[in-house]
Amino acid sequence: GENVEQHPSTLSVQEGDSAVIKCTYSDSASNYFPWYKQELGKRPQLIIDIRSNVGEKKDQRIAVTLNKTAKHFSLHITETQPEDSAVYFCAASRGNNDMRFGAGTRLTVKP
Amino acid sequence: EPEVTQTPSHQVTQMGQEVILRCVPISNHLYFYWYRQILGQKVEFLVSFYNNEISEKSEIFDDQFSVERPDGSNFTLKIRSTKLEDSAMYFCASVIQVGGYEQYFGPGTRLTVT
Repeated sequence: GENVEQHPSTLSVQEGDSAVIKCTYSDSASNYFPWYKQELGKRPQLIIDIRSNVGEKKDQRIAVTLNKTAKHFSLHITETQPEDSAVYFCAASRGNNDMRFGAGTRLTVKP
Repeated sequence: EPEVTQTPSHQVTQMGQEVILRCVPISNHLYFYWYRQILGQKVEFLVSFYNNEISEKSEIFDDQFSVERPDGSNFTLKIRSTKLEDSAMYFCASVIQVGGYEQYFGPGTRLTVT
C-alpha cells in the first residue's frame, strides 16, 4: 500500500520568512495530493491540493509543487504569520480510494 | 456552507463495550470515509464507503469494526468490543462524487476507553 514520508517533523520560522515542508510517496498510481492544516483539538482542514497532471499550484501565500518522477511533493508558505502555526499533514491517494497521511509537521511561526 | 457533522463530540466507554459513532456527511456527497487519529499522531485511514458498500479498508479495520449507512443521511462506525488502544479521535469525511477528490472532515469524536 501507499507509504507517505514527511519532513521535517518540526519547523520553526520567524514571522515573514518562508516555510517548506516536503513529502515523498511510494505508490506511483497515486494521483491526488492534498495538504491539511490542523490546529490543536480541531479537524484537519484542506488548504491546498494538487493532482498528478499538474506540476505546481498556488493560492495566495501557499503553493504546492509535485515531482511525479521523483515521487515527492512540497508545501511552500511565504510571508508566514503567527496564525500559520499549526500541524500540517500531507497525504496521497488514488482518486477516491484510501488516503494515506504523512506523520505531520509542527510549524511554529515566531512573532 | 454545509459541513460534515459528528456525534457525540466525546464518548467515554469501558473496555469491552460496544460504541457507535455517528456522522452526517454533506448532502449530495457520495463517498464516505472514517479515519482515526491517536493523540499526537498522524491521521490513519480506516475505511471508505461508496454505493452502500465498503470500497476499501485498512489493516486497522478488523472484524471489531463495521460501518453502516442506515438511512439517507447518517453514516456510522461501530466498534464491537472496545480496547484501550481504540482510544483516539475518530473523523468522518465525505467527497462529492463527480470528479472530486477533496475530502471534508467532520469535527471528530474523541473516544476514550477506560
